[in-house]
Amino acid sequence: DSGVTQTPKHLITATGQRVTLRCSPRSGDLSVYWYQQSLDQGLQFLIQYYNGEERAKGNILERFSAQQFPDLHSELNLSSLELGDSALYFCASSVGAGGGETQYFGPGTRLLVL
Amino acid sequence: TQLLEQSPQFLSIQEGENLTVYCNSSSVFSSLQWYRQEPGEGPVLLVTVVTGGEVKKLKRLTFQFGDARKDSSLHITAAQPGDTGLYLCAGADTNAGKSTFGDGTTLTVKP
Repeated sequence: DSGVTQTPKHLITATGQRVTLRCSPRSGDLSVYWYQQSLDQGLQFLIQYYNGEERAKGNILERFSAQQFPDLHSELNLSSLELGDSALYFCASSVGAGGGETQYFGPGTRLLVL
Repeated sequence: TQLLEQSPQFLSIQEGENLTVYCNSSSVFSSLQWYRQEPGEGPVLLVTVVTGGEVKKLKRLTFQFGDARKDSSLHITAAQPGDTGLYLCAGADTNAGKSTFGDGTTLTVKP
């Protein structure tokens, strides 16, 4: 158990819909990272938040957004969903802001868009 | 752009065999992490190596960080079916403030 929690574990929705994925980092960690993992691709970095502020941006679509709240939990919002958005979404956390630190991953949310 | 290349991409072996997987880059990293990921689960951290030439052992797994801190290897002795999974390496560059993940090696150990 990494100490990172994610909900829900599974999510099935239709194209055009909007969903919210939730992540709670390990106790004491201030950074949260979001990744997308599709069957034919590796881990794709989406975005990083540190202590409530956006720190780094990766290949995140404009239809996707995220935020980190004062209690340090984070939410990833996916809107206007397309079939190709079906994937595993992972959250990871680390202690500092550097982005070059060891990251601890949550169990993931499996999203299926029908 | 920092790239991490992992090889082989796929590896299927019999229980009891030894294997080595590689993680290579032209970039220097502050540290390097190895993760194992089972289907449908999140990557689980196995080890972090920091010093060039460092060797760390975790039961039957031996991790080595290259002298120049650009590459790493993971050697598994007497593989077991429970070792099956996706092995990911991640290079951390604290100066650049980023981590780079390889695409992974999918290992299957057959009983």
